[in-house]
Amino acid sequence: QQQVKQSPQSLIVQKGGISIINCAYENTAFDYFPWYQQFPGKGPALLIAIRPDVSEKKEGRFTISFNKSAKQFSLHIMDSQPGDSATYFCAASPGTGNQFYFGTGTSLTVIP
Amino acid sequence: EPEVTQTPSHQVTQMGQEVILRCVPISNHLYFYWYRQILGQKVEFLVSFYNNEISEKSEIFDDQFSVERPDGSNFTLKIRSTKLEDSAMYFCASSEGVTAESYEQYFGPGTRLTVT
Repeated sequence: QQQVKQSPQSLIVQKGGISIINCAYENTAFDYFPWYQQFPGKGPALLIAIRPDVSEKKEGRFTISFNKSAKQFSLHIMDSQPGDSATYFCAASPGTGNQFYFGTGTSLTVIP
Repeated sequence: EPEVTQTPSHQVTQMGQEVILRCVPISNHLYFYWYRQILGQKVEFLVSFYNNEISEKSEIFDDQFSVERPDGSNFTLKIRSTKLEDSAMYFCASSEGVTAESYEQYFGPGTRLTVT
């Protein structure tokens, strides 16, 4: 059973555009939702994360929107740049020290 | 900035051989994890380790796998008898685990394991 569902599988965006990646979960015990960025051959790097007590968190060009009632959260990348081209994974966890359940990943390509 | 390190970066082994993957977590972190990623697929949890014992493990983490913290800095994953399907990228991660807010897990660069 897939704990976290992620879409789309791949995304192509023009430079300067907005990239949007969506995730959905079922387990209401999840209370931490991070997004990771991964470049080829590298480990996942923490990008931004949110707890369910807020509906939005913004860090620079990256924003997480969180809808607790719908059990969905999304990553918005504003003013997308070619350097943002990478694979993005959402994840969810029920708490400190617990495993992360990862989504299937989204391959983002930003065209100059 | 502190980071998780892993060695080797690439390990090639023959089927049936034992391999040990090594990790040095961030020094003040208390929780340690191993994940794996088969090429082109999602990251999958293997095991978490806290206070010198396994705190959680997945179905993937069967009797062929073991983890150890042999000293104050290293954290190892041993695969006793490797199979072709063990070929993957293995990531070590660590988290602080001191406060209720310390959810963040920081990943190392990974070890690419190739079983032939």
